[in-house]
Amino acid sequence: GEKVEQHESTLSVREGDSAVINCTYTDTASSYFPWYKQEAGKSLHFVIDIRSNVDRKQSQRLIVLLDKKAKRFSLHITATQPEDSAIYFCAASGGTQVVGQLTFGRGTRLQVYA
Amino acid sequence: NAGVIQTPRHKVTGKGQEATLWCEPISGHSAVFWYRQTIVQGLEFLTYFRNQAPIDDSGMPKERFSAQMPNQSHSTLKIQSTQPQDSAVYLCASSLGDWVEQYFGPGTRLTVL
Repeated sequence: GEKVEQHESTLSVREGDSAVINCTYTDTASSYFPWYKQEAGKSLHFVIDIRSNVDRKQSQRLIVLLDKKAKRFSLHITATQPEDSAIYFCAASGGTQVVGQLTFGRGTRLQVYA
Repeated sequence: NAGVIQTPRHKVTGKGQEATLWCEPISGHSAVFWYRQTIVQGLEFLTYFRNQAPIDDSGMPKERFSAQMPNQSHSTLKIQSTQPQDSAVYLCASSLGDWVEQYFGPGTRLTVL
């Protein structure tokens, strides 16, 4: 089955700088790649997604890039703010999976410091 | 819209006891997913319902876990003869379909002593 590897377990950036979180996946046929944010003591909250028919998507300060050849996707958070501090999970879906369940990476703990 | 509702928020059971977890999906959502989150294993898919029908339970430990969705407004996850390794946060999510945003509930933290 699909495996998703999230490369950075922790990331610390200065407020105002950009943060980049990288993920790779194994199933060539995967087609849907969402990102979720989990703040301390809370559940997962959707932040942005990208589908395999595009290679870039932006929503305000969030940019997702998808490289299907390399089976890699990344989340770029620009102009980081303290409230961006959280654990970010990448996920993949589609492909050989019959339905839309998500396969998650292990998470990246992002700390934005002043 | 209250979002996905899960009850109870915390449950403590003794080894060998049964635990039933409840989920109320967002009204109008046809897809309901159950996941489990632990420090060791991370986020794992358990089972999926579409329009109340069980579609995929490939992530469920077969012997002691079962899930049902008797109507469109709630789903249950039942764990029989709970074991310490079942301790986790159990998350329910709903969505309008496959491969779209999933909305997660607050989770039920199960602790098996």
